[in-house]
Amino acid sequence: EAGVAQSPRYKIIEKRQSVAFWCNPISGHATLYWYQQILGQGPKLLIQFQNNGVVDDSQLPKDRFSAERLKGVDSTLKIQPAKLEDSAVYLCASSPRGHTEAFFGQGTRLTVV
Amino acid sequence: AQSVTQLGSHVSVSEGALVLLRCNYSSSVPPYLFWYVQYPNQGLQLLLKYTTGATLVKGINGFEAEFKKSETSFHLTKPSAHMSDAAEYFCAVSPSSLRGYGKLTFGQGTILTVHP
Repeated sequence: EAGVAQSPRYKIIEKRQSVAFWCNPISGHATLYWYQQILGQGPKLLIQFQNNGVVDDSQLPKDRFSAERLKGVDSTLKIQPAKLEDSAVYLCASSPRGHTEAFFGQGTRLTVV
Repeated sequence: AQSVTQLGSHVSVSEGALVLLRCNYSSSVPPYLFWYVQYPNQGLQLLLKYTTGATLVKGINGFEAEFKKSETSFHLTKPSAHMSDAAEYFCAVSPSSLRGYGKLTFGQGTILTVHP
C-alpha cells in the first residue's frame, strides 16, 4: 500500500514570497491533516479535513495560510506571504474514517530567508 | 485542553542497555495515547498506541509502554537498545471521541542516542 505522498521535499523562499505544498493521502482515507513542525518542537496541528470539508482549522493562521482539499482526495497548503517564523517541516497525515491514529508523509522542509 | 510533557530532551544509552523514555499527559478525560518515532528527514512512524483494554501495550521493534492512569504517564521502554533505535521519539495524545480521532497533541520529543 502506498503511503502519504508529499511534494516538494524541500523548498527555500524569501520572506514575503508565496509557497504551496501538495499532499496525496493514502487511498480511501477520508481524513487528512496538516501539521507544522518547527525545529526542536513536536508537530502542531494546523487543519483537519473530513472528505473535502474542514473539521478544525482553529490553529491555522488564516491571515497568511490557506488549505483546500478538492474532491476529497489531494490537498494543498499555501502560505502567502511567508515570514521567517514559517520555517518548519510541514507534515501531511491521513487516516481512515473512525481510525484512531494518523499515517504521516515524509514532510516538506520549508526554509524562509 | 490536552498537553504532553516528555521528560528529557536527550537520552543516551549504551547498546544492549534498557531504554526508558518518559511521557506524562494532562487531559480532562481519558485520552488515547501514542508513541511515534522519527528518523532524520523522515515522517513519523507509529510505534504503539493505547486506546482501551490492556494497559501494557506492545509495539513494533521490541518497544512497549504502560498506561498508568493514577500517574498520568505513558512511558516507553525497550529491554535492550540497538544502534538502529537512534532517532527522535514523540509521545502524543488525542481525544477519545470519534470526532477527535487523529487530532494529535505532541510532546517536545526526546532524541535517543545509542552508543556502541
